[in-house]
Amino acid sequence: EDQVTQSPEALRLQEGESSSLNCSYTVSGLRGLFWYRQDPGKGPEFLFTLYSAGEEKEKERLKATLTKKESFLHITAPKPEDSATYLCAVQAAGSYQLTFGKGTKLSVIP
Amino acid sequence: EAGVAQSPRYKIIEKRQSVAFWCNPISGHATLYWYQQILGQGPKLLIQFQNNGVVDDSQLPKDRFSAERLKGVDSTLKIQPAKLEDSAVYLCASSRLSGGVTDTQYFGPGTRLTVL
Repeated sequence: EDQVTQSPEALRLQEGESSSLNCSYTVSGLRGLFWYRQDPGKGPEFLFTLYSAGEEKEKERLKATLTKKESFLHITAPKPEDSATYLCAVQAAGSYQLTFGKGTKLSVIP
Repeated sequence: EAGVAQSPRYKIIEKRQSVAFWCNPISGHATLYWYQQILGQGPKLLIQFQNNGVVDDSQLPKDRFSAERLKGVDSTLKIQPAKLEDSAVYLCASSRLSGGVTDTQYFGPGTRLTVL
């Protein structure tokens, strides 16, 4: 059974204080690993897809990396508008289903 | 490009009542998904459609939940009768391609259901 574990559950940062969110996964052959951002009362918003170990993708202050067992979402010099819940999901080979973690709730304090 | 549309945004019902949710996917997207997101959890797939057909409904509680996708576009998800544990946000997502390629799923705003 595919499993995704995200840590920490919640993270509180001062504005400008860089940090990383972790996503550990167990899947029988990885087709893709996805990062989404979810604001309160809204649906998840797509950020990145990573396909193979060693791959990295960047968007503004966010950088996602992937190893064979985990993915990291690095946030550099965060701003209050980066406050949201960040969800990680995996898609197994031969499947279109996304298995999500519970998310990390990020709060960036001015 | 318009995003995934869902309605209603909020619904409050009594247990044992029925409820229906509507979803209009992004134009041209062949695949449509319904997810259930309980507070504090990640979304869980209920059912996946490819055009008109069901691809995966293994996690759909078929004794009370049903879904259809008419003409390969809009979809409705129905719960009858509702239970207290059905209180959740119901998310609809769509993706462009339907086979062989990892495909990004784009989500709607969701419908928040409260069962009293």
